Amino acid sequence: GAVVSQHPSWVICKSGTSVKIECRSLDFQATTMFWYRQFPKQSLMLMATSNEGSKATYEQGVEKDKFLINHASLTLSTLTVTSAHPEDSSFYICSARDQGVTDTQYFGPGTRLTVL
Amino acid sequence: AQKVTQAQTEISVVEKEDVTLDCVYETRDTTYYLFWYKQPPSGELVFLIRRNSFDEQNEISGRYSWNFQKSTSSFNFTITASQVVDSAVYFCALGLINFNKFYFGSGTKLNVKP
Repeated sequence: GAVVSQHPSWVICKSGTSVKIECRSLDFQATTMFWYRQFPKQSLMLMATSNEGSKATYEQGVEKDKFLINHASLTLSTLTVTSAHPEDSSFYICSARDQGVTDTQYFGPGTRLTVL
Repeated sequence: AQKVTQAQTEISVVEKEDVTLDCVYETRDTTYYLFWYKQPPSGELVFLIRRNSFDEQNEISGRYSWNFQKSTSSFNFTITASQVVDSAVYFCALGLINFNKFYFGSGTKLNVKP
């Protein structure tokens, strides 16, 4: 299947700093990427839909200014957690939609963020 | 409204036993996709299967099989002769045809003991 990468795979930062997470589709172009958040032992919650060349669509309750999303190219979307706080500590997973033959979402390996 | 229910929070079996993971979904859309993903302890989601709403044929892939019953809005997943490596959290998901959103179930943690 298609490959989606995330970088970094884990990050530890101090409270108040900003953290950028990259999501790349390695062997296909993705006009649409998605960002999810997963708390321990819980399901994935969609945070936002990222569309190449346009503004992201955020789910209800997700702060746009807190979680900045940029989808500047067909293979890269970034999520920046601004002024991170301990409650932002979570597992962040991106997915990219491959609209080719399979038309399926492929998920990245996730990024574990720990805010001290 | 869309919803996916995985009523089994955690299941423990002994190796070589068969196990079925239940998934019930709700949607008013007539066309949609259903998925199963595996999440091992490493965290990465592994795609297992996608099913179109208009294709109710059951599918078998090695030790895995899926039973799609549109009449009961269920998409159950059976692992035959389970192995320790099958231990993971399994998520069922509903995808709307335009793929603007994925709706995940709460997941079922499968523990396969040697």
